Amino acid sequence: DTAVSQTPKYLVTQMGNDKSIKCEQNLGHDTMYWYKQDSKKFLKIMFSYNNKELIINETVPNRFSPKSPDKAHLNLHINSLELGDSAVYFCASRVESGANVLTFGAGSRLTVL
Amino acid sequence: DAKTTQPPSMDCAEGRAANLPCNHSTISGNEYVYWYRQIHSQGPQYIIHGLKNNETNEMASLIITEDRKSSTLILPHATLRDTAVYYCIVRVGGSQGNLIFGKGTKLSVKP
Repeated sequence: DTAVSQTPKYLVTQMGNDKSIKCEQNLGHDTMYWYKQDSKKFLKIMFSYNNKELIINETVPNRFSPKSPDKAHLNLHINSLELGDSAVYFCASRVESGANVLTFGAGSRLTVL
Repeated sequence: DAKTTQPPSMDCAEGRAANLPCNHSTISGNEYVYWYRQIHSQGPQYIIHGLKNNETNEMASLIITEDRKSSTLILPHATLRDTAVYYCIVRVGGSQGNLIFGKGTKLSVKP
C-alpha cells in the first residue's frame, strides 16, 4: 500500500481554470503538508495542517487553499490558474509530536498552458 | 532557523563511500540535523537525523562534530541508485519544526 498517495500524477490545464489535487495518507499521521517544487527545483513549503491548526506560508497566493475532510486527507484547490503555477506539488505527512520525519508522496506535475 | 551550507555537487565511484558534508555553524542546542534525498522525479525521502551523537541506520551514517557546527552523511557503499540531490536541514523538532529545504548537494555515482 502506498503510504502517501496523490492524484492526479499529471495535470494539464488552461490558464484561468480551477483544479484540485488530492492527497491521502494511510500512516495515521497527524500533520500533513503541501510543498511546491518549481522548474529550478527549489522545494518550498506551502501549508502545514493538523486538526488544530493551518499554517500558511505567507508567500502563497490566496488562490491556493487546502481542504481537509478528515485527518487522512489534505486536498489542494487552486483557483484561477496562472502560468507560474506550473510546478510539481508534493504532499507529505508526519506524526505531529515526533521528529521531522516526513513521508512524501510521488508528486503531481501541474502544467498550465 | 540555522542555515546550512552544502557543496552544490559531488561525484562518487560506485562501491565507494560517499561522504557528503554540511556546515551549520549557527545551529542552536535544540535543533536536529536531518538528511533527506530526492531521486530524480520522485518525492523527497527521509534518510537519517541526529542531535548530538552519531547515528547509523540501514541507509546511512550521520557523523556530527562535537561542537555540532558541521556534519557528514556517509553512504558506505554507494550504488548508481544513490544518485540524487541530498538535503541537509537543521530544524527544531515537534510541531514548530516545519522542514525548509535548501539547494542541497547533487551526488552523482559513476560506474
